[in-house]
Amino acid sequence: DIVMTQTPLSLSVTPGQPASISCKSTQSLVHSDGKTYLYWFLQRPGQSPQLLIYEVSNRFSGVPDRFSGSGSGTDFTLKISRVEAEDVGVYYCVQSIQLRTFGQGTKVEIK
Amino acid sequence: EMQLVESGGGLVQPGGSLRLSCAASGFTFRSFEMNWVRQAPGKGLEWVSYISFDNSIYYADSVKGRFTISRDNAKNSLYLQMNSLRAEDTAVYYCARDDRSGYYYKTFDMWGQGTVVTVSS
Repeated sequence: DIVMTQTPLSLSVTPGQPASISCKSTQSLVHSDGKTYLYWFLQRPGQSPQLLIYEVSNRFSGVPDRFSGSGSGTDFTLKISRVEAEDVGVYYCVQSIQLRTFGQGTKVEIK
Repeated sequence: EMQLVESGGGLVQPGGSLRLSCAASGFTFRSFEMNWVRQAPGKGLEWVSYISFDNSIYYADSVKGRFTISRDNAKNSLYLQMNSLRAEDTAVYYCARDDRSGYYYKTFDMWGQGTVVTVSS
């Protein structure tokens, strides 16, 4: 089974400052089709999760360009260039190359 | 408007059964793969089960042999039959869509609002 490990598990950020979340998988997420099946989600307080980034680095419809994803193989990063109040919540990475596995989640709060 | 609406949650005793439903609207349901994802109180997200448009099915080890996923494309509906329920199955259960209609594969691109399942005596 693929295990997804996120760091840090919590983050307190001053508005306007950048934030970065790391996600590491125990196996490569590169498929034989050449695609890498790594995704990022945000779950705001009291809401359902929402897709932010698909296949490592592609922003989903409506996602602000301050969000970016990068990485390859087993190491991936979500970056927020300038954190805003609406970015508060729990961020999850997910792999879907082999069934689906979520990371533990990273709670982001505003200082 | 595209949406997913879950129903069927409630309070059930350990060892009991429950059937969850997810009604899809605003898109061609039969063309999409579907999942159930759950979230225990105060915990993270856990994938539960997957069904393709042609009924390939997978389960998380934690529910294998107890839960059954199914779909009725004529009714635009997804189901999760949950048997032999345990306290640790207590969670909000979400249905979530996968979209591979374009070049990219967008896992969990759409979510419902969730339905609460509580397993307790």
